[in-house]
Amino acid sequence: AQTVTQSQPEMSVQEAETVTLSCTYDTSESNYYLFWYKQPPSRQMILVIRQEAYKQQNATENRFSVNFQKAAKSFSLKISDSQLGDTAMYFCAFMKPEYGNKLVFGAGTILRVKS
Amino acid sequence: GAVVSQHPSRVICKSGTSVKIECRSLDFQATTMFWYRQFPKQSLMLMATSNEGSKATYEQGVEKDKFLINHASLTLSTLTVTSAHPEDSSFYICSGYIGGLNEQFFGPGTRLTVL
Repeated sequence: AQTVTQSQPEMSVQEAETVTLSCTYDTSESNYYLFWYKQPPSRQMILVIRQEAYKQQNATENRFSVNFQKAAKSFSLKISDSQLGDTAMYFCAFMKPEYGNKLVFGAGTILRVKS
Repeated sequence: GAVVSQHPSRVICKSGTSVKIECRSLDFQATTMFWYRQFPKQSLMLMATSNEGSKATYEQGVEKDKFLINHASLTLSTLTVTSAHPEDSSFYICSGYIGGLNEQFFGPGTRLTVL
């Protein structure tokens, strides 16, 4: 079974600085999808960024980028120029369509951006 | 696009009563919808996979007679918590899956409190 591990329960960062959230996963598969979701205090799940495992190039969405290391099964999220609105719980998730399109979530990392 | 709504957003009920939560995909057809449960500061726990026109598939440990799921149309899935008890109090989240995007889109969640 696939597992996703987020080893940082809580992190904090100063506004305008950069922070990296860690995620590792365990799978024997070669084709899959990885996601980072943000859950702010409203509790609405928001997709931050996604990565297809067959793509070698790291995904980037504005201030958010990932470092995808397939061999190491690592998928970290880097947030640049952190903003107060980035304060949220961040979840890393794994999905393989052949497994019913289910998302396997990590335990989450609470990120606090300080002014 | 890809908006999912849930109703109600909050519900308080007495122990022993049943509560129905609706999940609607507003601008797409979702052949598959997922139901999650989330406790405070914890990750999302998948309860069941709901496929239009067929019986839901429940995850191990989830009581299918307590959590009734119906997916009667391509835009509506319902979760009924039967004979609710205080331990059923939680935050319930649904998502709709779009196959062409290999992505789930989440509803805003429903907070259930059982007194």
